[in-house]
Amino acid sequence: DTEVTQTPKHLVMGMTNKKSLKCEQHMGHRAMYWYKQKAKKPPELMFVYSYEKLSINESVPSRFSPECPNSSLLNLHLHALQPEDSALYLCASSQRKSASDLDEQFFGPGTRLTVL
Amino acid sequence: EDQVTQSPEALRLQEGESSSLNCSYTVSGLRGLFWYRQDPGKGPEFLFTLYSAGEEKEKERLKATLTKKESFLHITAPKPEDSATYLCAVQASPGSQGNLIFGKGTKLSVKP
Repeated sequence: DTEVTQTPKHLVMGMTNKKSLKCEQHMGHRAMYWYKQKAKKPPELMFVYSYEKLSINESVPSRFSPECPNSSLLNLHLHALQPEDSALYLCASSQRKSASDLDEQFFGPGTRLTVL
Repeated sequence: EDQVTQSPEALRLQEGESSSLNCSYTVSGLRGLFWYRQDPGKGPEFLFTLYSAGEEKEKERLKATLTKKESFLHITAPKPEDSATYLCAVQASPGSQGNLIFGKGTKLSVKP
C-alpha cells in the first residue's frame, strides 16, 4: 500500500480564520513533507519531518505551523493567511532509512486551499 | 547550483503518435531521478526511479531512460488518458538532505 491520505480535499477560509490540514500514512515511513503548489508550477518544499522531528523549514512564514503528533500523522495549522496563500497543499512521505539512501517520496491527493 | 530542466513545456500528440519528454539535470552528485505523473488538481503519482546511467524502466506505454546528464520519458502509442503533466525530480547527494529538486514539468495532451 503506497497511500497517503489528506483531509479535507477542499478548504475555503477567511484571513482571520484558524484551520488545520491533516495527512496520514500507514507505510511505516519515517519522513513526512509538506509542499505548496501553485497553478502550473512544480511543488515547493515547505517543511520536512524526519523521525518526528522538524528537520527542514524552508523559510516559511509563521502563519503556517506544522505538527507531527506521531510517525503516521502530519498536520499543518493555518492562521491569518493571505489570499496569495491559496494553492494546492501536498503531503508526501518516504522511508528515510538513512541520510545517504535513495528516498522515494509518495504524495497524497492534496488539499485545495482558497483564502478569501 | 543544482538544477533540473524539462522540455518541452507542452506537447500535443495525436493518439498513437509516439514521442519523448526530456529532463536534463545539473547536480553535484546524483542519488536518483524520479518521474511523476500529475493530473489537474491532484497530487503527483509516482512512476519510476532511476539510479544509474544506462538504466531503463517500463510501465505500460511509458519507458524511462537515464544518462549521465539527462533522462527521457518515451511514450509509445499514447492514448488520451495519458494526458497529464509529467514531472521530473532529482535527489542529489551529498548535503541535500535527500530532498527533491523538481523540474517545471511537461504538459502532455493526447487528442483522439
